[in-house]
Amino acid sequence: AQSVTQPDIHITVSEGASLELRCNYSYGATPYLFWYVQSPGQGLQLLLKYFSGDTLVQGIKGFEAEFKRSQSSFNLRKPSVHWSDAAEYFCAVGGYSSASKIIFGSGTRLSIRP
Amino acid sequence: NAGVTQTPKFQVLKTGQSMTLQCAQDMNHNSMYWYRQDPGMGLRLIYYSASEGTTDKGEVPNGYNVSRLNKREFSLRLESAAPSQTSVYFCASSGGGPQHFGDGTRLSIL
Repeated sequence: AQSVTQPDIHITVSEGASLELRCNYSYGATPYLFWYVQSPGQGLQLLLKYFSGDTLVQGIKGFEAEFKRSQSSFNLRKPSVHWSDAAEYFCAVGGYSSASKIIFGSGTRLSIRP
Repeated sequence: NAGVTQTPKFQVLKTGQSMTLQCAQDMNHNSMYWYRQDPGMGLRLIYYSASEGTTDKGEVPNGYNVSRLNKREFSLRLESAAPSQTSVYFCASSGGGPQHFGDGTRLSIL
């Protein structure tokens, strides 16, 4: 079965500290992986995506993610968080075709401690 | 760039009323999607349309109908609203790969 697991419901980090948000997936074919961010009252914005090539991908706002096939993981990282990074983060997996459905994790809410 | 536009942004209905949520995209995408978002449950797919003229059920289709009016527009209809349909509804479109989302419709059913 296809699924995405984000094991951390809520994480709090201090401003300036490093961040890692975990994501594990189950997908039968070659996965197309995404991280989205949602600020309060807003829609979802794509942070980064991975389909093939270099397993370390760079995204917007200083985020990066590393694809590890052996661990079925696609963890999101940022070296130094800013107060404006407080939001909800969603990991998602799908196929490459435009007809493919995308499956979302339940999200991780990030709070920033001043 | 407008991207994906949803109307209305907010709506309050009484149980049993009907309503249609509208979605339009200007990116010439083939695929469009309707999700609902509830606290702690992420996004759940209600219906999707892989191309103009086709629609398919997602994870939680009961109580909803959809129409892919043309390539740009994909509407979601609640025929008889129930309190369990109180949620935030998101429309998305895709041309392959990542989906692009609208800002959502916050719907309350009293």
